Amino acid sequence: EAQVTQNPRYLITVTGKKLTVTCSQNMNHEYMSWYRQDPGLGLRQIYYSMNVEVTDKGDVPEGYKVSRKEKRNFPLILESPSPNQTSLYFCASFSGTGATGELFFGEGSRLTVL
Amino acid sequence: GQNIDQPTEMTATEGAIVQINCTYQTSGFNGLFWYQQHAGEAPTFLSYNVLDGLEEKGRFSSFLSRSKGYSYLLLKELQMKDSASYLCAVRGTSGTYKYIFGTGTRLKVLA
Repeated sequence: EAQVTQNPRYLITVTGKKLTVTCSQNMNHEYMSWYRQDPGLGLRQIYYSMNVEVTDKGDVPEGYKVSRKEKRNFPLILESPSPNQTSLYFCASFSGTGATGELFFGEGSRLTVL
Repeated sequence: GQNIDQPTEMTATEGAIVQINCTYQTSGFNGLFWYQQHAGEAPTFLSYNVLDGLEEKGRFSSFLSRSKGYSYLLLKELQMKDSASYLCAVRGTSGTYKYIFGTGTRLKVLA
């Protein structure tokens, strides 16, 4: 089954404790991206990657890091989480050569930073 | 700047037709997408327009006018399960594939 898998789905952590949210897709998509979703603000792009070893900042990259060492994986790293990073996070991918190129989203990771 | 506007909330009755509007101002354009998102769940793809005109897909249709920076999503024969948020998104210039999302329209379908 074609899917984007994120882990963990739910996480409560404390300020300053490094964490990684993993994202993996099995569709051989070149493009992957991370979004955060906050009430009233919609989906905002954090980072995206056009292919292996190619990453770029989105609209709200501060406080986040990413890496793309393999095509299927695109982890999101919070080196020193702060309460303003409490949010619902979505990983998404699409094929750059697809007919429409719609985004396929993971199920989301709800993060709470105390 | 880049901006996408859509109404915050709409209410309609089961069996009715509802139109959700979206206006956009972006520096590049390589397609407009509509996604459906139920509360607490991931967005799922509904429709895609890159040329002007109407795209029909069962009970859902989407319209685009690039010159006006305008799109709408039309939902016919509303069902209770259509209660969800509907997100309008514009994909930027080919090569960057940057997506910009509106804040979403929360649709409530009443019995």
